[in-house]
Amino acid sequence: KQEVTQIPAALSVPEGENLVLNCSFTDSAIYNLQWFRQDPGKGLTSLLLIQSSQREQTSGRLNASLDKSSGRSTLYIAASQPGDSATYLCAVIRSGAGSYQLTFGKGTKLSVIP
Amino acid sequence: NAGVTQTPKFQVLKTGQSMTLQCAQDMNHEYMSWYRQDPGMGLRLIHYSVGAGITDQGEVPNGYNVSRSTTEDFPLRLLSAAPSQTSVYFCASALTDREKLFFGSGTQLSVL
Repeated sequence: KQEVTQIPAALSVPEGENLVLNCSFTDSAIYNLQWFRQDPGKGLTSLLLIQSSQREQTSGRLNASLDKSSGRSTLYIAASQPGDSATYLCAVIRSGAGSYQLTFGKGTKLSVIP
Repeated sequence: NAGVTQTPKFQVLKTGQSMTLQCAQDMNHEYMSWYRQDPGMGLRLIHYSVGAGITDQGEVPNGYNVSRSTTEDFPLRLLSAAPSQTSVYFCASALTDREKLFFGSGTQLSVL
């Protein structure tokens, strides 16, 4: 059974700092990995998707990397802003032959202090 | 595009009652899925569909039914509500299994 772990569970940083969020998974037979942002009381918004054949994806101040062999992904946020405060979740997707299984981590709650 | 629309936003049920959570998307997405989010447990997959007429179970399917008669709609039915089904429910869709997931805004369900 796939297990996804996110460490730390919570993180507080001063504005402007660069930071890294971690995601690890136990089964490397994944199709792709996605990073999401969730604001309190809201649904999830997909930030970055990395296919299993890719090593990283970038969008603005965000950069996500994937190392399947070690079962790890990182989300790098550059020059953090108070508006980045939210819970960040990663999900691994295993798909094929009509199957579609997603496993989420429990998230990292990020607070960026002005 | 409205994206993924979930109704209702809030619902209170009594134990044993049945109800249907609605999910609709207007993006012509083939893949749709339902999750529940519980404190300390994260999001867990309940059921999913890879196209109209095709559904399958996820990690926690017991007590829930789904059907997919059209591409747009993927309702989740609670057959006989139990307090353990108190949770926030999210519906999501994707064009293919290689594309980003789009989530609805959720339904907060309380079963008394």
